[in-house]
Amino acid sequence: GAVVSQHPSWVICKSGTSVKIECRSLDFQATTMFWYRQFPKQSLMLMATSNEGSKATYEQGVEKDKFLINHASLTLSTLTVTSAHPEDSSFYICSASVAGYEQYFGPGTRLTVT
Amino acid sequence: GENVEQHPSTLSVQEGDSAVIKCTYSDSASNYFPWYKQELGKRPQLIIDIRSNVGEKKDQRIAVTLNKTAKHFSLHITETQPEDSAVYFCAARNTGNQFYFGTGTSLTVIP
Repeated sequence: GAVVSQHPSWVICKSGTSVKIECRSLDFQATTMFWYRQFPKQSLMLMATSNEGSKATYEQGVEKDKFLINHASLTLSTLTVTSAHPEDSSFYICSASVAGYEQYFGPGTRLTVT
Repeated sequence: GENVEQHPSTLSVQEGDSAVIKCTYSDSASNYFPWYKQELGKRPQLIIDIRSNVGEKKDQRIAVTLNKTAKHFSLHITETQPEDSAVYFCAARNTGNQFYFGTGTSLTVIP
């Protein structure tokens, strides 16, 4: 149980285009979903926290207009990287949590912007 | 926000020896402290966690201790095995239910 999927697993896009990443909790309802960014050999950096039906809470330094997060249901959250640039290339991981304690991670999405 | 520091960044031990990784946090109101293991190219996996009302927790070869006064917590792995080799992250959850991660420790267990 407690499986989180993420789609796509990798994506290559051209500079200036937008990319949407989906995060789904497959066998449980997640009250909260988190989006992280991970650079090679580095830690997970929290980008935003989203609760179903409400606006996401962004961490300081994360542009909310660039990284659009939608948490439309208890099983789905999406991250849209708008007008992507090469510096947005990274590994994006989502996680889902019930009651705010244990979080279950998705497999991650490798984004490459050319 | 919360600031979590983790040491050491790399750790090599002989198989069978113990490994200890330490983390400190800045927000005294943080109340949940999980540890994750991440193998190369894979997602982080929770290996043990501790809540702020507990000082120590053990699960087979893995244990975590928490010192709330000093705001630090540690991961202890005994009888290490080669399959324990991975990157380990500590994290702290604040009262806003946000998680902040340490910088990671790359553990290598030498057979």
